[in-house]
Amino acid sequence: GEDVEQSLFLSVREGDSSVINCTYTDSSSTYLYWYKQEPGAGLQLLTYIFSNMDMKQDQRLTVLLNKKDKHLSLRIADTQTGDSAIYFCARGARGNTPLVFGKGTRLSVIA
Amino acid sequence: DGGITQSPKYLFRKEGQNVTLSCEQNLNHDAMYWYRQDPGQGLRLIYYSQIVNDFQKGDIAEGYSVSREKKESFPLTVTSAQKNPTAFYLCASSLGAQETQYFGPGTRLLVL
Repeated sequence: GEDVEQSLFLSVREGDSSVINCTYTDSSSTYLYWYKQEPGAGLQLLTYIFSNMDMKQDQRLTVLLNKKDKHLSLRIADTQTGDSAIYFCARGARGNTPLVFGKGTRLSVIA
Repeated sequence: DGGITQSPKYLFRKEGQNVTLSCEQNLNHDAMYWYRQDPGQGLRLIYYSQIVNDFQKGDIAEGYSVSREKKESFPLTVTSAQKNPTAFYLCASSLGAQETQYFGPGTRLLVL
């Protein structure tokens, strides 16, 4: 299977919470990341979590890390139409090699 | 105003033509990257460079070439050997290889 896996699509109603999930296989990562990509644009760093943390909160965003299960999630509270985008999970790799990205989850917010 | 710039925003290639995509950063980052993005495929790494005058192949380097003569610049050439070049190309940079990556706005390459 893929090194970093995400479901491809998620649809939520405006005002609800969104939870985007990510699993990974390599537990040696120091940092794990969430990026957001709006249509036709580059990736924007949303947040990251250090591997010795369980949770990180930043305004409407909550990141949860379960190292035992190698599971990372991003919760967006009070989801708005402007949150519609593709969300990428990424992890640091071994040695001196680049980050490893998931294929992205397309979040659609229904008004 | 620090950041990463890519040009052009749109690029058209004719059959058998080589084209070069520009990527410049003023973040004083050592590492730079090129990714290709196709619908539903996520990001695929083409080449990366951790230091001036050195670069490594990524997962899909065939049909592409790069140079890293200056720290600020990492141009990507799509050669005629790349038979399916239509895609969205993203450049990124980071302080070091495992550090946080920051992305440019992308270049969309289309074949005439």
